[in-house]
Amino acid sequence: GAGVSQSPRYKVAKRGQDVALRCDPISGHVSLFWYQQALGQGPEFLTYFQNEAQLDKSGLPSDRFFAERPEGSVSTLKIQRTQQEDSAVYLCASSLALKETQYFGPGTRLLVL
Amino acid sequence: GDSVTQMEGPVTLSEEAFLTINCTYTATGYPSLFWYVQYPGEGLQLLLKATKADDKGSNKGFEATYRKETTSFHLEKGSVQVSDSAVYFCALSSYSSASKIIFGSGTRLSIRP
Repeated sequence: GAGVSQSPRYKVAKRGQDVALRCDPISGHVSLFWYQQALGQGPEFLTYFQNEAQLDKSGLPSDRFFAERPEGSVSTLKIQRTQQEDSAVYLCASSLALKETQYFGPGTRLLVL
Repeated sequence: GDSVTQMEGPVTLSEEAFLTINCTYTATGYPSLFWYVQYPGEGLQLLLKATKADDKGSNKGFEATYRKETTSFHLEKGSVQVSDSAVYFCALSSYSSASKIIFGSGTRLSIRP
C-alpha cells in the first residue's frame, strides 16, 4: 500500500518568508510525528499528534513553528518568517498507534537563503 | 535526558567484510532500541528493533543484541554487500519519551566492490 508522502520534496525560501510543508500519513494511522534533520545529523523530534490532538510539541524550536492536523489525517507544518538556521530536512512519520513502529516519509528539504 | 551515541563515520569496507557499528545509550527505565537505515535518495526505514534486554533484532543479515549491562546495541553483519551502502542510525524510544524516537547522529557506510 501507499507509504507516507510529503510535499513539496524541495523548497527554497527567502529569509523572512512563510512556508507550509504537507504530510499525508498512511491511511488509518492514528499517530503522526514531525522531525527535523539537520545536515549530517540524526532526526530530532518536533511534535506529535494523536488523531487531531497535538499531544506533544516540546521539540518545536520557536513560536515561529506551528503544526496542525485538523481532521486527524493530513498534517501541515508551518514555519513563519523563516531563518537560515531553519534549513534542514523535515521528516514526517506515522504509526498505527503510540509505541508502534513509525514509518517515515521521504522528507521535505528546506533551504532558506 | 535520554540520548544515543554511535560510532562516527564514514566507515569504508570492502565487499564481504565484517561490519560492526557501535551504539550506546542513556535512558531511564527500559527503552526499546532500533536501527534505522537511510539509503541514498530514500526515506528512513526501520532495519531492526529489540524491546527488552537480551533480545536480538535481525533483518537482511544484520543483527543487534540489546545489552542492558553495557547499555549497548551494536549493529553487526557478517558479510557486507555494495547494496548495504547507506547511513545507519541507532535510536531509542523510552517510557519517559514514549511519543518520540531519539536518534544518534548516524554512521555513513560505504562498501567498495
